[in-house]
Amino acid sequence: QVQLQESGPGLVKPSETLSLTCSVSGDSINTYYWSWIRQSAGKGLEWIGRIYTSGTTNYNPSLKSRVSMSVDMSKNQFSLRLTSMTAADTAVYYCARDQGGQLNYWGQGTLVTVSS
Amino acid sequence: DIQMTQSPSSLSASVGDRVTITCRASQSISSYLNWYQQKAGKAPKLLIYAASSLQSGVPSRFSGSGSETDFTLTISSLQPEDFATYYCQQSDTTPLTFGGGTKVDVK
Repeated sequence: QVQLQESGPGLVKPSETLSLTCSVSGDSINTYYWSWIRQSAGKGLEWIGRIYTSGTTNYNPSLKSRVSMSVDMSKNQFSLRLTSMTAADTAVYYCARDQGGQLNYWGQGTLVTVSS
Repeated sequence: DIQMTQSPSSLSASVGDRVTITCRASQSISSYLNWYQQKAGKAPKLLIYAASSLQSGVPSRFSGSGSETDFTLTISSLQPEDFATYYCQQSDTTPLTFGGGTKVDVK
């Protein structure tokens, strides 16, 4: 059974960088795309971007200047970095397996709050 | 970006009711449309992909239809576990985009 688990800090200060990791079990990360999505009360579900194991990435243009993603095949993990965090980035962040744009397995989500 | 518009934003229904939710895309997306169910405090769960294909393990009372710009999710007979929020999402082009959600609550 495919399982994903997000990990990272729950609190980030304004202007700092968020780093989250998604650990995948029950499937090799060496297939499919792997996406990050966030959900805030104000903006609903927002797709942040995705990465393939080749290193190919697609980012949401609205966040592209601040986002980077990476994959660690040896650990079966992929990661998200989001720079220059503001209160508007406060949200629940999810990772998901992305099969041609179909997000068929999701992590449980991790709440990230931006506050000093 | 492709804009996804769902209606209604909320509805009240009873167990056994037939429920229909609509989703409209701002441009043609062929059949690249997916539906998700989200319960409070949980991650979204894929119900329908490619407009009308039922994800493995999802009850057959859920069905999807439509193409191009207009899509529908139907629950043929609402069950207690179906009270939740439903989202459509297009996978035609990046960025992937979601509708604003339809909350189904108890009448």
